[in-house]
Amino acid sequence: DSGVTQTPKHLITATGQRVTLRCSPRSGDLSVYWYQQSLDQGLQFLIQYYNGEERAKGNILERFSAQQFPDLHSELNLSSLELGDSALYFCASSPQGRGIPYNEQFFGPGTRLTVL
Amino acid sequence: GIQVEQSPPDLILQEGANSTLRCNFSDSVNNLQWFHQNPWGQLINLFYIPSGTKQNGRLSATTVATERYSLLYISSSQTTDSGVYFCAVERNSGGYQKVTFGTGTKLQVIP
Repeated sequence: DSGVTQTPKHLITATGQRVTLRCSPRSGDLSVYWYQQSLDQGLQFLIQYYNGEERAKGNILERFSAQQFPDLHSELNLSSLELGDSALYFCASSPQGRGIPYNEQFFGPGTRLTVL
Repeated sequence: GIQVEQSPPDLILQEGANSTLRCNFSDSVNNLQWFHQNPWGQLINLFYIPSGTKQNGRLSATTVATERYSLLYISSSQTTDSGVYFCAVERNSGGYQKVTFGTGTKLQVIP
């Protein structure tokens, strides 16, 4: 158990809908990362937050957005869903910034999204 | 952007055999991690190894940052080692640290 939690574990929805995925980082970790794993694209970095602020952006679509709340949990919002958005979405957290210079990432169990 | 290539893409081993997985990256990196994705999809940290050599039980890893590659050694493989092994590198880009995963090595260990 990495200490990172994600809910829900599975999500089935229809095209055009909007969903919210939730992530709670390990206790004390300030950084949260979101990744998408699909069959054709592999593991892709979406976005990083550090202590409530956006820190880095990867291949995140404009239909997707994220935020990190004062209690450090994060949510990834996916809207106008398409069939191609079906994937495993991972959240990771890192202790970097708590006086720790390195950036080892610890992954949650993922949320499997199926868009029908 | 940085390219991360892993080899071999697929590997089948007899239980008890040893293997070496390779990760090549096209530019200098700040960090490198190895992960194992088990058949249930969970990503498990193996090593945080931007340089040097580390060992953890039957697994060890070496990163030669100056030559832009990392190796993961699996000795006395077990069926529970099956899954996909990823390396992930982190590089400063535009003032931000961005993470890029390799395409993975799919390992099957047969009894």
